[in-house]
Amino acid sequence: QVQLQESGPGLVKPSQTLSLTCTVSGVSISSGRYYWSWIRQSAEKGLEWIGRIYYTGGTNYNPSLRTRVAISGDTSKNQFSLELTSVTAADTAVYYCARGAGDTYGNHFDYWGRGTLVTVSS
Amino acid sequence: EIVLTQSPATLSLSPGERATLSCRASQSVSSYLAWYQQKPGQAPRLLIYDASNRATGVPARFSGSGSGTDFTLTISSLETEDFAVYYCQQRSDWPPWTFGQGTKVEIK
Repeated sequence: QVQLQESGPGLVKPSQTLSLTCTVSGVSISSGRYYWSWIRQSAEKGLEWIGRIYYTGGTNYNPSLRTRVAISGDTSKNQFSLELTSVTAADTAVYYCARGAGDTYGNHFDYWGRGTLVTVSS
Repeated sequence: EIVLTQSPATLSLSPGERATLSCRASQSVSSYLAWYQQKPGQAPRLLIYDASNRATGVPARFSGSGSGTDFTLTISSLETEDFAVYYCQQRSDWPPWTFGQGTKVEIK
């Protein structure tokens, strides 16, 4: 069965870089049928799509975060990762990794990790 | 960016009653709309995709309808486990794909 699990620090200092990894089991991220996204949720902004990676290594990002975000993949470990630079308190949220189904132009998300709370604070 | 507006913000109903949730898009999303259920401390769960297709394992009491800018999620007869927050999400126009702000279905 498909499972996703986020891992990474729960506390990040302002101006530093937030780094999270999603470990996928039950399906290969290089299968080509799916896309792999990061989504976050906060009380202020609700659910916000951050970006995605495809098995080719191609990425797409939310324009509001594009200058600060990078998503990469490691097919040998069946993982994909998120880096968000220059964080502020506004980046405090629960971060989810999710599998995107659909097509190149549009994804809905059929499997999600349990989420990890990341707090930005000194 | 397409804005999704959900109504009502809160729906107070009793088990066995019918729930009707609305999602309105700021511009047409064709049929590219999904619905999710989220319970406290859990990730969202996909219920409906492309407006009316139930996801794997979703009970038949959940149904979706609509196209263009107006969409509805209907729960025909509420079970205790259905009391949760529901979100809509569009995949028509990107980046980014966007979510609604949610409708909470609470026990009356």
